[in-house]
Amino acid sequence: GENVEQHPSTLSVQEGDSAVIKCTYSDSASNYFPWYKQELGKRPQLIIDIRSNVGEKKDQRIAVTLNKTAKHFSLHITETQPEDSAVYFCAASRANFGNEKLTFGTGTRLTIIP
Amino acid sequence: ETGVTQTPRHLVMGMTNKKSLKCEQHLGHNAMYWYKQSAKKPLELMFVYNFKEQTENNSVPSRFSPECPNSSHLFLHLHTLQPEDSALYLCASSLTSGSTDTQYFGPGTRLTVL
Repeated sequence: GENVEQHPSTLSVQEGDSAVIKCTYSDSASNYFPWYKQELGKRPQLIIDIRSNVGEKKDQRIAVTLNKTAKHFSLHITETQPEDSAVYFCAASRANFGNEKLTFGTGTRLTIIP
Repeated sequence: ETGVTQTPRHLVMGMTNKKSLKCEQHLGHNAMYWYKQSAKKPLELMFVYNFKEQTENNSVPSRFSPECPNSSHLFLHLHTLQPEDSALYLCASSLTSGSTDTQYFGPGTRLTVL
């Protein structure tokens, strides 16, 4: 089955700086990679996703990059703000292969230092 | 935030008790999920229901018994649990069980097994 590793487990950055979280996956057939954000005491929410037919996707201050050859993808947050403090989870799946399911990483706790 | 609701929000039970967790979604979705979230571990998929039919049982012990009477309601019946079952149990729903359909999570039930 799929195995997703996520690094780092914790990350602290100064407000205004950039943050990068990296994930690797094992199943070369995986083709869909979402990122979820879970603020303290709240539910996970999808913030961005990328499919294997593109190498990068941006949405305002967040972007995700995908390297299919190396089987890794990353979340980039620029101009970080206090509200970016949360746990971020990456995930991977074989979309449209049947019996597809998301396999999640272990999460990264991001703390933005004011 | 009210699209997926879970009750109770907190539950403390002994190992010999029987209790049930309830999830309800008001989004018109057809797929529902149970996840277990433990500290420093990935979100663990437990069960998937699609149009009331169970499509995934991720090797979950039989002391956890799901029930999906209709597409809007999902239950997790608990009996003779172990202390290691203490965790946050998250329910989620999506339009279909395809992995590219955004999953909307409930607030979770914090379960403590004594």
